[in-house]
Amino acid sequence: AQSVTQPDIHITVSEGASLELRCNYSYGATPYLFWYVQSPGQGLQLLLKYFSGDTLVQGIKGFEAEFKRSQSSFNLRKPSVHWSDAAEYFCAVGATGFQKLVFGTGTRLLVSP
Amino acid sequence: GAVVSQHPSWVICKSGTSVKIECRSLDFQATTMFWYRQFPKQSLMLMATSNEGSKATYEQGVEKDKFLINHASLTLSTLTVTSAHPEDSSFYICSAMSPSGAKSKNIQYFGAGTRLSVL
Repeated sequence: AQSVTQPDIHITVSEGASLELRCNYSYGATPYLFWYVQSPGQGLQLLLKYFSGDTLVQGIKGFEAEFKRSQSSFNLRKPSVHWSDAAEYFCAVGATGFQKLVFGTGTRLLVSP
Repeated sequence: GAVVSQHPSWVICKSGTSVKIECRSLDFQATTMFWYRQFPKQSLMLMATSNEGSKATYEQGVEKDKFLINHASLTLSTLTVTSAHPEDSSFYICSAMSPSGAKSKNIQYFGAGTRLSVL
């Protein structure tokens, strides 16, 4: 069965600094990978996804993520963080057929002035 | 992106009563919708998969008689928490799967969630 690990529960980044959120997955076949963002009391918004092809994927709000099969990772990056990026970020893996998503435990991003 | 509306956003009810939560896909038809439960500061746990016109598929450990799911149309799925108790208090989130023919196919679009508080 697939699983997702987000090793960082909290991360604090200064505004304007770069950001990398870690995500490791476990899945026997080619995974379908997603990053979602959740603001307090809100649902989830899709930032980006990887299905196949170019391993560096671009998303909304200036985010990107790189799929590294050898490391079973799909880390999320942003070159310059804005205060509005403070939220909870979830990495998820989907099985073939997309019928189920398994989410990581999330990383809470705090942005300091 | 696609819009999924979830209603109500917050509900308080007395123990023993039932609560219905609606999930609507506003600009696309969704044959498949999902219901998740999220505990404070934790991840989303899939409760069930809702397929239009058929019975929902529940995840292991989820009581299907407690959490009734109906997916009567291609744009509406409902979750009814029957005889709610304080331990059912949680944040419930639905999602709708974009159709396979869509430009952004096989993507789950999420509602804003419903916070249920059972007194």
